[in-house]
Amino acid sequence: DIEMTQSPSTLSASVGDRVTITCRASQSISSWLAWYQQKPGKAPKLLIYEASRLESGVPSRFSGSGSGTEFTLTISSLQPDDFATYYCQDYSSSSMCSFGQGTKLEIK
Amino acid sequence: QVQLQESGPGLVKPSETLSLTCTVSGGSISYYYWNWIRQPAGKGLEWIGRVSTSGNTNCNPSLQSRVTMSVDTSKNQFSLKLSSVTAADTAVYYCARDEAVAGPDRFDYWGQGMLVTVSS
Repeated sequence: DIEMTQSPSTLSASVGDRVTITCRASQSISSWLAWYQQKPGKAPKLLIYEASRLESGVPSRFSGSGSGTEFTLTISSLQPDDFATYYCQDYSSSSMCSFGQGTKLEIK
Repeated sequence: QVQLQESGPGLVKPSETLSLTCTVSGGSISYYYWNWIRQPAGKGLEWIGRVSTSGNTNCNPSLQSRVTMSVDTSKNQFSLKLSSVTAADTAVYYCARDEAVAGPDRFDYWGQGMLVTVSS
C-alpha cells in the first residue's frame, strides 16, 4: 500500500504569509494527487487535482506542484478564510486510494 | 448543483451492522462512482470504498470483509453496510462522488457527513 506523509502536521502563519505544505508518497504516484481543505464540522473541499490543476471556483492563490513522490500545496497570500486543515490524497491505484494525515494551518 | 445527503441511524450497538444511505439530488446517479469515506473524531480521512450503478465496486482491503455497498438508481441513492461494528468504527461518515472508471479518483462532491456512534 502507498503511504502518504504530510509535513508539517501543524503550521502557524499570519494573514498575508506565503505558506507551503508538503506531501510525500512512499512510491511514485505520477501526478495522481489531490488536495482538500477541511474546516471544523464540514466536509472536505477539493482544491487541486492531478497535482497542479485548480478546481473550478477555487481562488488562484492556491497552487499545487510536484510529481512522482513529492508534492506541495502553496497558498500565496493567506486569507482569514484559509485557516483550516489540509489533506492530500493519492488516487494512482486502480483499486484503492489513501489520504495524508492532514496539516492544520493555524493563526499565528 | 449536485448535492449529497447521508442518512441512517446515528447509534449502532457493538457487533451489529451499520447501515447508511446517501441520496443524490441535482444530477443523475448514473455514469459516476459513489464513495464512502469516514473520519474518527479529531483524526484523518479513511476511504471505505466505492460503487457504480453497474455494480462495480472497489473497497479498502482493511474493511473489505465487513463492507457491502449497493446502488438504487430508481431512488438516486446508494448505500453502505458495515457489519460487526466496534467502537473503532465510530466516526463521521461521508458520501462522495468521483468520475473515474479505472479506479478511485478525486472527490468533487461530498455530503455534509453523518456521525455514527457505536455504543451499547
